[in-house]
Amino acid sequence: EPEVTQTPSHQVTQMGQEVILRCVPISNHLYFYWYRQILGQKVEFLVSFYNNEISEKSEIFDDQFSVERPDGSNFTLKIRSTKLEDSAMYFCASTSWNMNTEAFFGQGTRLTVV
Amino acid sequence: GIQVEQSPPDLILQEGANSTLRCNFSDSVNNLQWFHQNPWGQLINLFYIPSGTKQNGRLSATTVATERYSLLYISSSQTTDSGVYFCAVWADSWGKLQFGAGTQVVVTP
Repeated sequence: EPEVTQTPSHQVTQMGQEVILRCVPISNHLYFYWYRQILGQKVEFLVSFYNNEISEKSEIFDDQFSVERPDGSNFTLKIRSTKLEDSAMYFCASTSWNMNTEAFFGQGTRLTVV
Repeated sequence: GIQVEQSPPDLILQEGANSTLRCNFSDSVNNLQWFHQNPWGQLINLFYIPSGTKQNGRLSATTVATERYSLLYISSSQTTDSGVYFCAVWADSWGKLQFGAGTQVVVTP
């Protein structure tokens, strides 16, 4: 069964450093997403991406964050100058031909900012 | 935006017991999914069920879209069923997948 893969599974970084979280969505999917889950809280939407541009972003997704599809398979989330409160589980997801079809999530990257 | 409420917030079960988890939502939806978050934090797709009933082994789900709720049934629970169960919905009025707060399930031997 096709799946969304994320790397790394766990990343520890120092406050102020830049991190890049990587995702490989399902190959024939067109819509890509990043979600975040702070420990013990609900999963929150960050950003959606379609046709090489951001479709929608939440108020969490400020200038510190950026997304990119650098090639035909990868989808990345960059966090510039990380803060302690960026520590969370980050999930990548993708959907196929329409935004409200079944979403498939990756296994997540646990980011710890120290 | 759309509100998603899950109940109960916590559930402790003895192995072998059956249970029902509920998800209420405040608007018409085009997509509803149930996920299981395991102790390692991974989100596992359980059901894509905008309406009707589906079964997968010991788990089944029913969504009554007109009454704006969905139910997840766990039968003959096992310790591996422990974790957090999330309901998530997509509504045109909101334009993204909105998660509920989850139900924390603990199955004891």
